[in-house]
Amino acid sequence: EVQLLESGGGLVQPGGSLRLSCAASGFTFSSYWMSWVRQAPGTGLEWVAYINQDGSEKYYVDSVKGRFTISRDNVMNSLYLQMNSLRADDTAVYYCARGSTWGDYWGQGTLVTVSS
Amino acid sequence: EIVMTQSPATLSVSPGERATLSCRASQSVSSNLVWYQQEPGQAPRLVIYGASTRAPGFPARFSGSGSGTEFTLTISSLQSEDFAIYYCQQYNNWPISFGQGTRLEIK
Repeated sequence: EVQLLESGGGLVQPGGSLRLSCAASGFTFSSYWMSWVRQAPGTGLEWVAYINQDGSEKYYVDSVKGRFTISRDNVMNSLYLQMNSLRADDTAVYYCARGSTWGDYWGQGTLVTVSS
Repeated sequence: EIVMTQSPATLSVSPGERATLSCRASQSVSSNLVWYQQEPGQAPRLVIYGASTRAPGFPARFSGSGSGTEFTLTISSLQSEDFAIYYCQQYNNWPISFGQGTRLEIK
C-alpha cells in the first residue's frame, strides 16, 4: 500500500525556517517524480515544487523561488522541503504528493503556521 | 500562468440525481487536466486524469470530458459519499494551476 507521511510542520515566526519531511513507503520511491503542494486555510491549492527521480531537476512556483528548496534521499525513501524566510502567506497545510503532473497519492499533510 | 475557473462555486443536488461540474481554462491545456475530490480534513484524491480517464477506485458513475479550454466532470446517480469539494487542475504548463473548487452539497 502506498503511504506518504509528512512531518515537520509547526508554528514559526516571520523570517524563520522549517524543514518538512515526507516518508514514503509501499512503492519504489526512486522511480517517481515527487512534489509538494500546499493549501492555505479555507482556500484552494497551490503546486509549490517538484523534483525528478535523482534530484537533478527541480521546479518551483515563483512565490517560493529563492526561499524554498526541495530535495530527496532515495536511500531513506524521503522527500524534503527546506523553507527559509517564511512569510505569513506561507501559512498552509503542506502535502507531499507522488508525481509531477498530478498527484496520484497524497499524504495527510502537515500544517505550517507563520505568525508572530 | 493559466487561470482555471470552476462553476458553480456550490452545487446542491439530491442523492440519486446527476451532477455536472464545469472547469474552464484561460488558454488551451489540450487534455492535460485532472479532477480531484476533497472531503473535509482530508487530502485530495485523484478522480480523473487526462481529462477523461477514471482513476483506480472510482466507480463508473464518475466521468470526465472536454479538451482545450472547456471541461466537465459528471457524476451520475449521486451517492452520499460523493458530496465533497471537487477541484480541476491543469498540467499543460508550469506552474501547474488549480481551479478554486466546486462544493457539491446535498439538496
